[in-house]
Amino acid sequence: QSVLTQPPSVSAAPGQKVTISCSGSSSNIENNYVSWHQQLPGTAPKLLIYENSKRPSGIPDRFSGSKSGTSATLGITGLQTGDEADYYCGTWDNSLNTGVFGTGTKVTVL
Amino acid sequence: EVHLVESGGDLVQPGGSLRLSCAASGFTFSNSWMDWVRQAPGKGLEWVANIKKDGSEKHYVDSVKGRFTISRDNAKNSLYLQMNNLRAEDTAVYYCAKDAVGGEGYWGQGTLVTVSS
Repeated sequence: QSVLTQPPSVSAAPGQKVTISCSGSSSNIENNYVSWHQQLPGTAPKLLIYENSKRPSGIPDRFSGSKSGTSATLGITGLQTGDEADYYCGTWDNSLNTGVFGTGTKVTVL
Repeated sequence: EVHLVESGGDLVQPGGSLRLSCAASGFTFSNSWMDWVRQAPGKGLEWVANIKKDGSEKHYVDSVKGRFTISRDNAKNSLYLQMNNLRAEDTAVYYCAKDAVGGEGYWGQGTLVTVSS
């Protein structure tokens, strides 16, 4: 099982906002950078946020990331049908000495 | 533009071996840590292994230690994953990635490994 916990699913109407939490511990999130990845159905993951809150070129500012203590959060505003996907947080774990991913969250646009 | 292209996925019997390759371009490969990440059918992402820029340091998830070996050839801009003693639970799409966790990561399109008799 993953050491990073995410809600299995979140949903909202088009144009609304959703937030996805990623809960970890002092051995991972608290002391390392967090990244967020979007996986559209049937495709490879794609980076949305890196180093806790930075957006790669081409990622709209509707996507935002933050970190506080042992938790990280991904926010999506102005929700669109194209945002329906699975979202994963990821970071390094200093105790396991491995990378770790969250359990994944499915976003549904109502 | 960063490109990562995996190859080598196949159907293999339990106990068999397979070598995955990843061809990298569009960035300075020799300056980058590289990862392998896998995703079993219908499941989430699982980090598998990574390797330091010069190959001097490697890390593995417990479930593959002693069976999988990550390596790289910086002269060929290539990453490899040698998988031995394969089990049914190793069935997954295997992704090559640069900075898969935390950093400004990039992903390949994946290659499917199926372990079945």
